[in-house]
Amino acid sequence: NAGVTQTPKFQVLKTGQSMTLQCAQDMNHNSMYWYRQDPGMGLRLIYYSASEGTTDKGEVPNGYNVSRLNKREFSLRLESAAPSQTSVYFCASSVPPNPGGSNQPQHFGDGTRLSIL
Amino acid sequence: QKEVEQDPGPLSVPEGAIVSLNCTYSNSAFQYFMWYRQYSRKGPELLMYTYSSGNKEDGRFTAQVDKSSKYISLFIRDSQPSDSATYLCASSGSARQLTFGSGTQLTVLP
Repeated sequence: NAGVTQTPKFQVLKTGQSMTLQCAQDMNHNSMYWYRQDPGMGLRLIYYSASEGTTDKGEVPNGYNVSRLNKREFSLRLESAAPSQTSVYFCASSVPPNPGGSNQPQHFGDGTRLSIL
Repeated sequence: QKEVEQDPGPLSVPEGAIVSLNCTYSNSAFQYFMWYRQYSRKGPELLMYTYSSGNKEDGRFTAQVDKSSKYISLFIRDSQPSDSATYLCASSGSARQLTFGSGTQLTVLP
C-alpha cells in the first residue's frame, strides 16, 4: 500500500550542484505532478504530466526540468541549484479528468526536504 | 492577490470544540473544491472533495461551498487531539491544475 514514494527524503546541496528527485506511484494513475511548498506560500505547481510522454509547465517552472520516465515514474531535476530552491518538494498523482470533465483529487507523497547552501 | 486566500492561524481549540476553517477564492471558474490535511513532515492527504455549491458531510467533517460569495469552509465537530494538523484548501476549474491556499495550522488541546 505504498501510494506515492519519493526519494530521497532529505538532501543538502551546495549552490551550483545538480540533483534529481525521484517519484514513483503504484496506483496506475495517468497524471503526475511536482509541487514545492514554502512557508506562507502554500503548494505551488512546478510541472505536471497529464500522461506518459507529455509534460507541461506549472506556476513556477524556472530552474527545473522533468522527465516522465514511464507511467509509474516522474522525476524532477535541478541542473544548477540555487538557495531560492530550498524548499519541500512534493510529488502527486491522480487519475485523469473523467469523461464529464470533472477534476480528480491528487494523492501526495511525503516530500523531499531540500536545502541549498 | 492570491487566487485562494486562507488565514494561516495558528488556531488552538480545546478537545471537543467545533472548528471552523475558511478560505476565499477569486476565480469564478473554480468549481472543484478540496480540503487536505497535512501532518507535520508528511504529505497532504485528501479529506473532502466537493463539486460546485452545497454541503458534504463525512463523519465529523463537513465541507461547505458558497459560490455566490466565493467562500469555502470546513467544519470539524467534536475535535480530537489527532485532528491537530495543517489544513489546506484547494480549488480548480476545468483544468487539472489545483490552486492551494497557504494552509491553517490547527492544534486541538487535550
